[in-house]
Amino acid sequence: SAVISQKPSRDICQRGTSLTIQCQVDSQVTMMFWYRQQPGQSLTLIATANQGSEATYESGFVIDKFPISRPNLTFSTLTVSNMSPEDSSIYLCSVEAGYEQYFGPGTRLTVT
Amino acid sequence: QQQVKQSPQSLIVQKGGISIINCAYENTAFDYFPWYQQFPGKGPALLIAIRPDVSEKKEGRFTISFNKSAKQFSLHIMDSQPGDSATYFCAATSPSDYKLSFGAGTTVTVRA
Repeated sequence: SAVISQKPSRDICQRGTSLTIQCQVDSQVTMMFWYRQQPGQSLTLIATANQGSEATYESGFVIDKFPISRPNLTFSTLTVSNMSPEDSSIYLCSVEAGYEQYFGPGTRLTVT
Repeated sequence: QQQVKQSPQSLIVQKGGISIINCAYENTAFDYFPWYQQFPGKGPALLIAIRPDVSEKKEGRFTISFNKSAKQFSLHIMDSQPGDSATYFCAATSPSDYKLSFGAGTTVTVRA
């Protein structure tokens, strides 16, 4: 298994600003993923972040809005840029470890 | 479109009863089917998972039944307890990219 932490756990932001979410894993992993979970909804994959390569984005998500960094095998960041109230969601990172995927506790973002 | 269909949306069960959640998929490339349990304010936690080469897997009070020909799988929670009250998500992934496709989720309420 893997232990994942995220910072911040929650934040309230003004529209038009940006927030960077950090994801730290307790072991080295190749594949990391970022998901969004809108209130009362299921999880939607934003992008796959592999160390040493550009993040791969899913349909409907673009790098300008959600830039991702993956500087090493235990850390990644997701930035939510130029925020609007529609970006209010829980953002979760996950890691693949031996085919199983483990999730962090999430970052609850509210945009006012 | 959603690649994994999950039902019911919610269910209520008495303490000691059996909770059953069903999922169906179309993509025959999927070869790993995990279930996640999520409590309010927490990230999803991996509960149990199955590969298509077995028809059933049991871990404690949780059992996955898998029907490869019908492309369906289900989660049974035996002797349901109030602490099992949570949202359950089925998911599926393939070895090509490890991306999880999630069902819509089922909110289970266990009444004491």
